[in-house]
Amino acid sequence: SAVISQKPSRDICQRGTSLTIQCQVDSQVTMMFWYRQQPGQSLTLIATANQGSEATYESGFVIDKFPISRPNLTFSTLTVSNLSPEDSSIYLCSAPGHLNTEAFFGQGTRLTVV
Amino acid sequence: GQQLNQSPQSMFIQEGEDVSMNCTSSSIFNTWLWYKQDPGEGPVLLIALYKAGELTSNGRLTAQFGITRKDSFLNISASIPSDVGIYFCAGPISGTYKYIFGTGTRLKVLA
Repeated sequence: SAVISQKPSRDICQRGTSLTIQCQVDSQVTMMFWYRQQPGQSLTLIATANQGSEATYESGFVIDKFPISRPNLTFSTLTVSNLSPEDSSIYLCSAPGHLNTEAFFGQGTRLTVV
Repeated sequence: GQQLNQSPQSMFIQEGEDVSMNCTSSSIFNTWLWYKQDPGEGPVLLIALYKAGELTSNGRLTAQFGITRKDSFLNISASIPSDVGIYFCAGPISGTYKYIFGTGTRLKVLA
């Protein structure tokens, strides 16, 4: 299994500002994924972070709002920009196991926008 | 698009009871994953299923990959208070390593 560390674990941000979330995996992985979990809801995939190329975004998510970096095979960041209260959610980083048949998660970042 | 529906949405059970929940889709899946999420935590993988008809256990948990490949089931035997949480099923989007998640089953145990 992959061990994934995220930080910060939680934050309270002012509307209009941005928050950058860091994700570190304990082994090299080709793909990393970012999910959003709105209050009381399931997980929704935001984008796939690809090393050496731009992230691939799912329908409804755009790079200007959710810029992603992937500088190496163990690390990625997600920025949630121009924050509004609707962005208050848990943001989760995920990476596959070594056979790419399982998905493991960090502990999540709980964002509250005020 | 592919969607995963879980049933029941939530349930209260008495400690010691057995629990059953399921996950259904209109599409075929080649892999089913079951997760548990505790408050303030990320989902933790409980069981992975890779073959139609497969039955896999992890302690008091047993999951089955439906024969039609459009559903999966999770059973918890002799529930205890720490079983409280949200259980999610997940499956890969066809032809990719990206996963979609079910709607979740919220389990609450009465001691």
